[in-house]
Amino acid sequence: DTAVSQTPKYLVTQMGNDKSIKCEQNLGHDTMYWYKQDSKKFLKIMFSYNNKELIINETVPNRFSPKSPDKAHLNLHINSLELGDSAVYFCASSQGTGYAGELFFGEGSRLTVL
Amino acid sequence: DAKTTQPPSMDCAEGRAANLPCNHSTISGNEYVYWYRQIHSQGPQYIIHGLKNNETNEMASLIITEDRKSSTLILPHATLRDTAVYYCIVHGSSNTGKLIFGQGTTLQVKP
Repeated sequence: DTAVSQTPKYLVTQMGNDKSIKCEQNLGHDTMYWYKQDSKKFLKIMFSYNNKELIINETVPNRFSPKSPDKAHLNLHINSLELGDSAVYFCASSQGTGYAGELFFGEGSRLTVL
Repeated sequence: DAKTTQPPSMDCAEGRAANLPCNHSTISGNEYVYWYRQIHSQGPQYIIHGLKNNETNEMASLIITEDRKSSTLILPHATLRDTAVYYCIVHGSSNTGKLIFGQGTTLQVKP
């Protein structure tokens, strides 16, 4: 059973389109995250939700909107895609307080904007 | 910015111990040292973490110097599947999952 699963794994789309990436975790964790890994391989946090509440919102364009319908799911919607949005997006989860640095990552969703 | 310094790359012979160093001279008293790795095309994987004592689990050992300014991750018997980028991260418990990844060390395990 995959602990943190993301769909789709690959996404190729045109500039200006809107797309979503879905994430689900079956670990019973309270906190979920979106990280972005750019072409230079730097991994950087974008958002974090704890029990459906936004707790971390880094300097991310407001074209990116996370949504957490319940604590097992955290989706990422991106409007008006730009070339610079091409990256691998990783979803992660953690137990929360006391395990704050022990994250479980998904396999990533590679987004290519043409 | 990452608060750690790691060599960009290292080689290790299969079956030998891989010792990956990390400098974190500005670490605060309440910050932990975490290690993750990222195998090509996969998500980062948690390995181990510690505060000041040495730690061991089924994957690796973590040795932290007494002054806590540096640490070493030890993979006791490296295999080809251990080829990956290894990240050393300093993380305070109040930072709730906001991990600051640096460039890491690319470990190449060779037959």
